[in-house]
This record gives sequence, C-alpha cells and structure tokens, in this order.
Amino acid sequence: DQQVKQNSPSLSVQEGRISILNCDYTNSMFDYFLWYKKYPAEGPTFLISISSIKDKNEDGRFTVFLNKSAKHLSLHIVPSQPGDSAVYFCAARYSGGGADGLTFGKGTHLIIQP
Amino acid sequence: KAGVTQTPRYLIKTRGQQVTLSCSPISGHRSVSWYQQTPGQGLQFLFEYFSETQRNKGNFPGRFSGRQFSNSRSEMNVSTLELGDSALYLCASSLVATNEKLFFGSGTQLSVL
Repeated sequence: DQQVKQNSPSLSVQEGRISILNCDYTNSMFDYFLWYKKYPAEGPTFLISISSIKDKNEDGRFTVFLNKSAKHLSLHIVPSQPGDSAVYFCAARYSGGGADGLTFGKGTHLIIQP
Repeated sequence: KAGVTQTPRYLIKTRGQQVTLSCSPISGHRSVSWYQQTPGQGLQFLFEYFSETQRNKGNFPGRFSGRQFSNSRSEMNVSTLELGDSALYLCASSLVATNEKLFFGSGTQLSVL
C-alpha cells in the first residue's frame, strides 16, 4: 500500500514557465513533508520542507503548498530553468518515531524544455 | 566538508552470494540511514542507526542487516542474494536521528545475476 503517491511519472515544462509537481498521501499521521531532487548517478538532495502546521513554505524559486484536508502537497518552481531537469521525490514522516524512516513517493521526472 | 561517501560504486554478484556495502557519513553526523531504490518501488527505507544502535527498521527480510561503528561509519550486509535485490542502495546521514534533512551519498548500484 503506497502511502505517498506521485501520480505523474514525468512532466515537461517550457523554460521560464511554472513547474507544478504534485504529491498525495494517505497516512493522516504524517506531520512533516519534504521534497528531494535527484540527478542521474547522484544521490537525492534536499530541496524544501514543510511542517503540517503550515500551509506554505517558500525558498527562492521553490514553494511548497500543503493542503491537509485533501492530503495533498505540491511543489512550485518559478521560473523553471534547464538545471531543474531532474527527478523530484516527495517524502513524508510522522513524529511518532518514524519506524519506517522517511516514506518516499516514486518520483516525477521533470524535463525543462528550452 | 566532504559529503557522504559510499563504496563500492558498482557491484556485480550472483544469486546466493552475500555482499557488504560501506558508508562514511558527513563528519559530525551521527545518524546513518539506508534506502533501497528500484524503478518499480522508488526509495524504500531499510534501517537507521544512531550512536551504533539500530533505531528503526523498514519492512525488509532478515537477510538485510547493518551496523554502525563508533566513528559513525556504517555497513549494510545482504546475505543469500536474490535477483530482486538488484537495486541502488543509498546511504544518508544527518546530524541527529530525526530523519528530516538527509544528506545522501551517490549510492552503490548492485546487480545480482
């Protein structure tokens, strides 16, 4: 049973436009959410996070929105740049000890078109 | 500051063999976690070590084990390898054992033939 779902395996966006990556979760116990970015042949790198007590967090071109009632979060990248082409993973954890560590989605491959 | 270092980078084994993967965390980081990445399943949590103690364990069979040394370096071992164990094994370190902002290594790509 997949608790964190990224339903779009890939997404193509034109350079300069907004990229919106979506993530849904089923476990209402999750209270902290993160986005990681992964280039080929490298490990994932932390991008941005949000606590369940907030509904928005911004860091430069990256903004994460959290809709707890819908159990949905999204990552907005504005404006999109060629270097943003990578696989993006959504991850979640709950503060009850996280026996499962971080729970990751399967990733969305973002392709920025020139 | 050096990042998380994983060795070896690539490994080819045959079914039934056992394998040991190594991870050196960022200096000062005391928590090390291991994840398995496969195309079909994404990243799945294996286990986490903090101060030489296993804190958490994911839903993997007992063939998967690990340990952490006093210098925070960690190893994971997979015994009696199966074809389905072929995956990218990622190690991540963090300052404390809260599993939030993890710093990942580049991984060990294991192929089981």
